[in-house]
Amino acid sequence: GAVVSQHPSRVICKSGTSVKIECRSLDFQATTMFWYRQFPKQSLMLMATSNEGSKATYEQGVEKDKFLINHASLTLSTLTVTSAHPEDSSFYICSAAQGGFGTGELFFGEGSRLTVL
Amino acid sequence: DAKTTQPPSMDCAEGRAANLPCNHSTISGNEYVYWYRQIHSQGPQYIIHGLKNNETNEMASLIITEDRKSSTLILPHATLRDTAVYYCIVQTSGSRLTFGEGTQLTVNP
Repeated sequence: GAVVSQHPSRVICKSGTSVKIECRSLDFQATTMFWYRQFPKQSLMLMATSNEGSKATYEQGVEKDKFLINHASLTLSTLTVTSAHPEDSSFYICSAAQGGFGTGELFFGEGSRLTVL
Repeated sequence: DAKTTQPPSMDCAEGRAANLPCNHSTISGNEYVYWYRQIHSQGPQYIIHGLKNNETNEMASLIITEDRKSSTLILPHATLRDTAVYYCIVQTSGSRLTFGEGTQLTVNP
């Protein structure tokens, strides 16, 4: 199946710094990517929908100025957690649809675990 | 989007079939049933999806009742590597997926 790669897989940062997470579709083009967050022992929570060449659409309660999303190309979306605090520590996961969304199958990255000290 | 109900946990013996149920009584006509699974500390993995017909692929079978109010994911010969959280999601094709709590399947030796 199609491959979605995230980098870094783990990151530890100090409180107040910004962290960028990359999501790449390795063998297909993705006009739409999705960003999720998952806290321990909880389900995935959709944060935002990333659209190539346009502004991301954020879910209710997700601060767009806190979580900056850039989808500059058909194979790359980035999530930047700005001024990170310990409560932002979480598992961040991206996903993308092969062939444009509508085929029903999303491919997920391996996830990026953020720890803010 | 229709809400789904899944048991929080299930156990299965290695080599036996694992049957994971999902209720989606408020599903509408254009909503698909998707199944994903998540092994601990990894990203979710697509398993299968369907609209109203039963579906089968190399990983699993999906049985959808005639009224589409419930479905069952079948792993025909469960292995220890199938231990994961299984998510049943009902969504219209073309919209973003939202995850519920899922079922923790534990395959025992």
